[in-house]
Amino acid sequence: DAKTTQPPSMDCAEGRAANLPCNHSTISGNEYVYWYRQIHSQGPQYIIHGLKNNETNEMASLIITEDRKSSTLILPHATLRDTAVYYCIVRVAASNFNKFYFGSGTKLNVKP
Amino acid sequence: NAGVTQTPKFRILKIGQSMTLQCTQDMNHNYMYWYRQDPGMGLKLIYYSVGAGITDKGEVPNGYNVSRSTTEDFPLRLELAAPSQTSVYFCASSYGATNEKLFFGSGTQLSVL
Repeated sequence: DAKTTQPPSMDCAEGRAANLPCNHSTISGNEYVYWYRQIHSQGPQYIIHGLKNNETNEMASLIITEDRKSSTLILPHATLRDTAVYYCIVRVAASNFNKFYFGSGTKLNVKP
Repeated sequence: NAGVTQTPKFRILKIGQSMTLQCTQDMNHNYMYWYRQDPGMGLKLIYYSVGAGITDKGEVPNGYNVSRSTTEDFPLRLELAAPSQTSVYFCASSYGATNEKLFFGSGTQLSVL
């Protein structure tokens, strides 16, 4: 049961902003949106998360639409090291833990 | 802190063999998880634990078993390995809160031939 939809791949020029879209049209009011990335076959690495408001940290910005049905991860100045698979994840509160639903991700190719 | 440590990094099994994937974390996290990742796919939850002595099934538990005798360790047992269990296995932990984050290990690449 996929809760997120992402394009399979995107290209971005080095130094430019990378904007990665995600659709989560069935998200509920208390479910968070998370973004992780995976470089080669390493363990996924946390980037950012949010509920309703836009968020920014040292790695990226997260823009969530007002209806919360979609979001965009922004890497302001992409470098070659940002080449990775980026996962948009919905975190759902289950009975005694939080369940993270991973989609298939977007492969971001940053090119010189 | 080492974070989440998984061993081994690579393993090849023959059909029907058994093995245990080890996972340990030094962040005193209550929550621990096992995921598998098939080629080109996202992660699927196998088992999880909300504390020592407490485990429960995730989305794809068949063919696996877990135990959680300490806060630090969460081993995953494969009994009677099958080719369908060829995958990359990730262990993760979290402190379990509203703003929780999953911290992942570096993974175990398992091939069953």
